[in-house]
Amino acid sequence: KAGVTQTPRYLIKTRGQQVTLSCSPISGHRSVSWYQQTPGQGLQFLFEYFSETQRNKGNFPGRFSGRQFSNSRSEMNVSTLELGDSALYLCASSPAYGSPAYEQYFGPGTRLTVT
Amino acid sequence: LAKTTQPISMDSYEGQEVNITCSHNNIATNDYITWYQQFPSQGPRFIIQGYKTKVTNEVASLFIPADRKSSTLSLPRVSLSDTAVYYCLVGDSGAGSYQLTFGKGTKLSVIP
Repeated sequence: KAGVTQTPRYLIKTRGQQVTLSCSPISGHRSVSWYQQTPGQGLQFLFEYFSETQRNKGNFPGRFSGRQFSNSRSEMNVSTLELGDSALYLCASSPAYGSPAYEQYFGPGTRLTVT
Repeated sequence: LAKTTQPISMDSYEGQEVNITCSHNNIATNDYITWYQQFPSQGPRFIIQGYKTKVTNEVASLFIPADRKSSTLSLPRVSLSDTAVYYCLVGDSGAGSYQLTFGKGTKLSVIP
């Protein structure tokens, strides 16, 4: 079974631009979560989608948004990029969402650099 | 909001048993505790998950005391390939919505 795939793997953008990242979950998984990872803040939860609906949201500004399609693929968008948005963005899929069992399968991530 | 606390780093020699403890004082009644391993430039990988007492799989054991305010990941006989960052993960429903909280992670360095 293929793992979680993320595209693109690397991206360089300029301040003020916007970016869209894509995630394809493991076949059969309906939950997709997004995380931002930086050296200073570690892994931070952005949001989670299940059945095309955002179920949970972390403490990020409205510039960060996402959506999920009927085939469970997900995209996240960051508008008006800031230098501080430079990070590794990780996508994780799971067959279900929420407590109690929450085993997630992570993709390799998209490395975003904002200049 | 639930917070998790882990040691920032640990060193161990090959062949030793390593125990990494995570504190999670405000864990919710129905939350599970999950541990992940991450190598550089890769996404985290699931290691083990538990609710109470002890759980063991082919790579690790997880010990959870009765009050569930902490958990200890035990890696038996570590090798150089176990050098990675280990994260403790619990749910967080304190703010009215459910979200996951990763700890800062523990960087384990295995020394030959």
